[in-house]
Amino acid sequence: NAGVTQTPKFQVLKTGQSMTLQCAQDMNHEYMSWYRQDPGMGLRLIHYSVGAGITDQGEVPNGYNVSRSTTEDFPLRLLSAAPSQTSVYFCASSLGAQGILGELFFGEGSRLTVL
Amino acid sequence: AQRVTQPEKLLSVFKGAPVELKCNYSYSGSPELFWYVQYSRQRLQLLLRHISRESIKGFTADLNKGETSFHLKKPFAQEEDSAMYYCASGGEYGNKLVFGAGTILRVKS
Repeated sequence: NAGVTQTPKFQVLKTGQSMTLQCAQDMNHEYMSWYRQDPGMGLRLIHYSVGAGITDQGEVPNGYNVSRSTTEDFPLRLLSAAPSQTSVYFCASSLGAQGILGELFFGEGSRLTVL
Repeated sequence: AQRVTQPEKLLSVFKGAPVELKCNYSYSGSPELFWYVQYSRQRLQLLLRHISRESIKGFTADLNKGETSFHLKKPFAQEEDSAMYYCASGGEYGNKLVFGAGTILRVKS
């Protein structure tokens, strides 16, 4: 089973460039989310979605956009990359709309470097 | 704001020694608390949650509301326990799960 699939695994951007991190899950999970992982700061929630057509902000949403047109996909868009967005990004999904009450399944992570 | 504090960045113990990874949370209500673990070259995965009161891989965690703590314990550490451990809390902000900064556990032979 694929589970949660993130692409790309690695990406280098120049300041001001845009890109989309892709996330797909094949478990028919309602809840999907994006986290960034930074040394000494743990995982911080960027955006999340409790179902197709519904998204909401997490702790650190600035500089990122998301959409949820299907249950399977939850892309994260950086419109104008900044060096502060250099991080490892994780997508995670959970079965129920109340995602925190269930087990979160994580992708392998995407390492982004902004020069 | 809801916070999860893991005071130790690194905990190094010898094989067979007891392990306690500390976690404190700030939510004053009834939190949902979890421990997630990331082994080398593996995905982040759920280790245990307080609501299920399970023992997973010999680890247990007890919720202490008076001390607002959810420390992770294991009586005898194994080398395969070496990993990054994250404590996480939900409840105050609906669907937002807040993670601590993580503690690296190194078990030496």
